[in-house]
Amino acid sequence: DQQVKQNSPSLSVQEGRISILNCDYTNSMFDYFLWYKKYPAEGPTFLISISSIKDKNEDGRFTVFLNKSAKHLSLHIVPSQPGDSAVYFCAASRSSGDKLTFGTGTRLAVRP
Amino acid sequence: DVKVTQSSRYLVKRTGEKVFLECVQDMDHENMFWYRQDPGLGLRLIYFSYDVKMKEKGDIPEGYSVSREKKERFSLILESASTNQTSMYLCASSLPLGGGNTGELFFGEGSRLTVL
Repeated sequence: DQQVKQNSPSLSVQEGRISILNCDYTNSMFDYFLWYKKYPAEGPTFLISISSIKDKNEDGRFTVFLNKSAKHLSLHIVPSQPGDSAVYFCAASRSSGDKLTFGTGTRLAVRP
Repeated sequence: DVKVTQSSRYLVKRTGEKVFLECVQDMDHENMFWYRQDPGLGLRLIYFSYDVKMKEKGDIPEGYSVSREKKERFSLILESASTNQTSMYLCASSLPLGGGNTGELFFGEGSRLTVL
């Protein structure tokens, strides 16, 4: 039972354009949502998070949007850079301090 | 900076061998986790621990056990390795949720295990 889903396994974007990565979840108990970035042969690194009391959080080129009614979140990267090429995982947890549940990941390729 | 260190980056073991994967964190985090990453499956939680000598099963605990004798160290044990345990293993630590903390996980660099 995949509670966090990333339906696009890969995405290719031109440098300078916007990258939009999507994530859907099924568990209405999730209260915190996070995005992680992973390069090959390295551990995932935290990118940005959002609490369920917000619908948007921005940090530099990265913005996460949360639509609670649709159980959907998205990560926008503007402008995209070649160094953004990596696998992106969305993750969710309940506010009770529960573990993170991860999606299957989306591989982003930013073309120069 | 938080440092999560995994003892081995690459291991090759034979079927039936006992395998120990060690993880140490230096930020006094209460929570520690073991995940495995496989293509198309994302990161799946094997075991986690919220305190010393405490452990909880994750989503795929079968074939694994863990040990947390000290707060900074969390070990993953494969009692009898099998080929379907060939994977990238990722250790992580975090503070508990609450008090403005989102429970962000800090990951180690991973241990690539191949079971022949």
